[in-house]
Amino acid sequence: GDQVKQSPSALSLQEGTNSALRCNFSIATTTVQWFLQNPRGSLMNLFYLVPGTKENGRLKSTFNSKESYSTLHIRDAQLEDSGTYFCAAEHNYAQGLTFGLGTRVSVFP
Amino acid sequence: GALVYQYPRRTICKSGTSMRMECQAVGFQATSVAWYRQSPQKTFELIALSTVNSAIKYEQNFTQEKFPISHPNLSFSSMTVLNAYLEDRGLYLCGAGEGAGSNERLFFGHGTKLSVL
Repeated sequence: GDQVKQSPSALSLQEGTNSALRCNFSIATTTVQWFLQNPRGSLMNLFYLVPGTKENGRLKSTFNSKESYSTLHIRDAQLEDSGTYFCAAEHNYAQGLTFGLGTRVSVFP
Repeated sequence: GALVYQYPRRTICKSGTSMRMECQAVGFQATSVAWYRQSPQKTFELIALSTVNSAIKYEQNFTQEKFPISHPNLSFSSMTVLNAYLEDRGLYLCGAGEGAGSNERLFFGHGTKLSVL
């Protein structure tokens, strides 16, 4: 809910362009995960982050714990990048994960 | 606002016993409920999807005999892990869907961490 605010809720991208998704956290967060829901419904893990930045192909993600946010950058968007992206924050082991509400990304030719 | 309460947050069971986890949707009607298990690669694999007025659909490698699910109304669902063994350890997650098709929004619980002794 309000503990993890994900934006935008929807994003339309032209193929080849770049964009960014963001999650803001209202409580102290220890780790962040980003997922992409695949057509079968599973949540494919894209990144598992402690504070810092990771890159994988055309995707790059940063977790800034001091300013309580995480971003997911998509570079050179492709049609197969379409789908719903979720961020999830771990606050401490006992509390499990708190998910954002997702960003529905549509990439068009 | 819409919330999903998943409980217990953590549980330990003896090998060969069963444990049940529950999800409660608050502030919306859960027309669908999905149950997931997190893999070692941290992907949440879909176990099954329950949609109102449809049979519960299990994904490959998951069966009703092992993971029976109940979705009796639009606010509640439960899943049991029967005869749990070491390979069943992990984080289980429920996601409740409001709406349908392109208008569907998914709300997730916090997960249930299962340890097996």
